[in-house]
Amino acid sequence: DAKTTQPTSMDCAEGRAANLPCNHSTISGNEYVYWYRQIHSQGPQYIIHGLKNNETNEMASLIITEDRKSSTLILPHATLRDTAVYYCIVRSMQGGSEKLVFGKGTKLTVNP
Amino acid sequence: DVKVTQSSRYLVKRTGEKVFLECVQDMDHENMFWYRQDPGLGLRLIYFSYDVKMKEKGDIPEGYSVSREKKERFSLILESASTNQTSMYLCASLSDRSPGTQYFGPGTRLLVL
Repeated sequence: DAKTTQPTSMDCAEGRAANLPCNHSTISGNEYVYWYRQIHSQGPQYIIHGLKNNETNEMASLIITEDRKSSTLILPHATLRDTAVYYCIVRSMQGGSEKLVFGKGTKLTVNP
Repeated sequence: DVKVTQSSRYLVKRTGEKVFLECVQDMDHENMFWYRQDPGLGLRLIYFSYDVKMKEKGDIPEGYSVSREKKERFSLILESASTNQTSMYLCASLSDRSPGTQYFGPGTRLLVL
């Protein structure tokens, strides 16, 4: 079962920052937080991951609270193409064969 | 860029047919996965492989088999297709050097009549 809790849906205006929250209160010390997204009728796409420090790449920023019980994915300037379901996943770094457990995710709608 | 390709985007088959879904990745990844995705049920793991000729059952292997004869190719086989196997099928690959970072193909939407 998924070990994360996310809002079912969110809306964001085009050009504004989209802040997607995720609760993972039972996260253990060796588990990373991963974010994926799935645009309609496509396969999921990796976005970013982190352990305890904030992370940034060309797609997004990841802010993890100090107690690691929650995190926020930030899309700094959302575009219509960012409309997708966003999945927050916690997973240890042990073993490449360990499956990812996708929950229901947050459906983000970016409005013009 | 990692590329994961799947043989078909859309497929229509009849009940009882044998169905082959092919997946190819071009990044020399050790691990490959087959998922199915259904509304309200999310992604469910069918089978995965961590090396050539190696395979492990996922959560829902019944009615499916897999083949991994070459590192870059992972095939999903429906021995006798049934209507409850109508679904979106997603293949993914992953490197041992980056656990958790799976790269997915575009998916195959299979309709079994």
